[in-house]
Amino acid sequence: SQQGEEDPQALSIQEGENATMNCSYKTSINNLQWYRQNSGRGLVHLILIRSNEREKHSGRLRVTLDTSKKSSSLLITASRAADTASYFCATDFNDYKLSFGAGTTVTVRA
Amino acid sequence: DAGVTQSPTHLIKTRGQQVTLRCSPKSGHDTVSWYQQALGQGPQFIFQYYEEEERQRGNFPDRFSGHQFPNYSSELNVNALLLGDSALYLCASSPMGGSNEKLFFGSGTQLSVL
Repeated sequence: SQQGEEDPQALSIQEGENATMNCSYKTSINNLQWYRQNSGRGLVHLILIRSNEREKHSGRLRVTLDTSKKSSSLLITASRAADTASYFCATDFNDYKLSFGAGTTVTVRA
Repeated sequence: DAGVTQSPTHLIKTRGQQVTLRCSPKSGHDTVSWYQQALGQGPQFIFQYYEEEERQRGNFPDRFSGHQFPNYSSELNVNALLLGDSALYLCASSPMGGSNEKLFFGSGTQLSVL
């Protein structure tokens, strides 16, 4: 079973709007990462947040982590058509693997 | 600087056959992990290779096996293929003995089992 669960499963927004997606997990983590996947091909690392951090920014991305609620959110501001992709959260439990959720599919309409 | 390369891109096999997928890690990376991604799902960890040995294995049967070569490249072998093995197989590499802090993925091999 997959540890991370993303919500919503799909999201459709207008270009320029913000997109927010959430991830919940079940057990304590070392860090949580977000990846993007275009058209079912390879995943690209977006951002990592450690268990002792609450918020991180990278360009138009903002990630928050609430370890008490075992949840994280990814915000993409001022979305563009190129942001159309699937987004996955991945949890690191300090072993050798990442556990991925089922992903959020984001469609940005022109 | 070449990233992670996988071959072949697509593969069609029939039930019961065997398949070998190949992966070359990003330059400077010594650890290779393999993931299976079924349609509409997130990637699931198969195993990780480091120093030519399988270091950790996910919940996959023994039909799934692998190998890592001295140049850090890796192969994934699947025997006695089942219809349910149809998926995108992703290879990911990482530096420094397998830090999971930033995986670099290849474009994957799309395996179809008929």
